[in-house]
Amino acid sequence: EVVLTQSPATLSLSPGERATLSCRASQSIRSYLAWYQQKPGQPPRLLIFDASNRAAGIPARFSGSGSGTDFSLTISRLEPEDFAVYYCQQSSNWPPITFGQGTRLEIK
Amino acid sequence: EVQLLESGGDLVQPGGSLRLSCAASGFSFSSYAMNWVRQAPGRGLEWVSIISPGDSTYYADSVKGRFTISRDNSKNTLFLQMDSLRPEDTAVYYCARDRGNWDANFDYWGQGTLVTVSS
Repeated sequence: EVVLTQSPATLSLSPGERATLSCRASQSIRSYLAWYQQKPGQPPRLLIFDASNRAAGIPARFSGSGSGTDFSLTISRLEPEDFAVYYCQQSSNWPPITFGQGTRLEIK
Repeated sequence: EVQLLESGGDLVQPGGSLRLSCAASGFSFSSYAMNWVRQAPGRGLEWVSIISPGDSTYYADSVKGRFTISRDNSKNTLFLQMDSLRPEDTAVYYCARDRGNWDANFDYWGQGTLVTVSS
């Protein structure tokens, strides 16, 4: 099973700042990594697939990078609506399909 | 517009059974793999099961042998039969559409249905 470890657990930033979230895989997953955003009381929303491809309707301030075992999600300039929990998910070696434990992005 | 609507969540005793449904609309349901993903209260996401357009199925080890995923393409509906339920199965259960080509990413999600396993 591929274990995904996200860091940091919590990130405190202000609107307008740049956010960088990390996800590390326990083995190579090539570029088969996705990122999701989840707000309280809502289902997750797909942001990025295949490490760097934005899903439909996702603003350009969201970008993903990485391959192999190390990945990152960058939000170039934080908007108030970006404060949420972010999960990475791998689709390289499955089953099982696995998620990271999440990074909470909170307003500083 | 793609819509996924789960139903069937309830309070059930340990050892009991429950059947979840997910009604799909706005896309060609029979052409897509579909998934169940769950989230325990205050916890992260856990993939549960996937079913292909051709009815191939896979499960997380935590539910294998107890849960059964199925689909009725004539009714655009996904199911999850849950047997031998345990307290640790308590969660919001989401159905989620595979993005396409069996790639195991989830591009549309329902709002979820709550399953509580408790005596």
